[in-house]
Amino acid sequence: EVQLLESGGGLVQPGGSLRLSCAASGFTFSSYAMSWVRQAPGKGLEWVSGSSASGSRSYYADSVRGRFTISRDNSKNTLYLQMNSLRAEDTAVYYCAKDYSTSWSYHDYWGQGTLVTVSS
Amino acid sequence: QSALTQPASVSGSPGQSITISCTGTSSDVGSYNLVSWYQQHPGKAPKLMIYEGSKRPSGVSNRFSGSKSGNTASLTISGLQAEDEADYYCCSYAGSSTFVYVFGTGTKVTVL
Repeated sequence: EVQLLESGGGLVQPGGSLRLSCAASGFTFSSYAMSWVRQAPGKGLEWVSGSSASGSRSYYADSVRGRFTISRDNSKNTLYLQMNSLRAEDTAVYYCAKDYSTSWSYHDYWGQGTLVTVSS
Repeated sequence: QSALTQPASVSGSPGQSITISCTGTSSDVGSYNLVSWYQQHPGKAPKLMIYEGSKRPSGVSNRFSGSKSGNTASLTISGLQAEDEADYYCCSYAGSSTFVYVFGTGTKVTVL
């Protein structure tokens, strides 16, 4: 059974940093692209960042490029999102999502999400 | 990197059919057969309902169907049921060198 378990969310002040983790199980983690998708309170889904299966390629939404860094440790079956220079508008539930394939197609499994609150 | 456009809300009575549109551009929806649809109930994670425009994952009811014409994709729910009341989001591969996916603005489906 595919499982994705996010952790690392919490309350952080504007300008602060936070690192999210997504522990994956039930599939060969190193064979699949992965993404982070967020949802601000009462708002829609926003794709944030994606990592190729090997981790050699990373992609970012304009809203986070230069502040967030996605990475993965395929030996630990874990995806990360390092978030720096956080802003109030980064407040959201952050979901980890598995892609269907090595390349990009669609998200077939999602974690339950971790809440990040940026506030003073 | 603009969000795909969906109607904010759609409603229907039990047993009726409804259709949700998802309008993008020739750079995303119009260029790839990689539109997916997700259902999200309050407080829950999104669930894949349609992939590659019209395919259903195992376990998803055949009351859900998808299609695409030009830059617009559509999700149709037939035989509307109370449990279909949820938010629905489309998503398209964008093929950019800097970003991968773009989501729709979301549609609240209400079963009257």
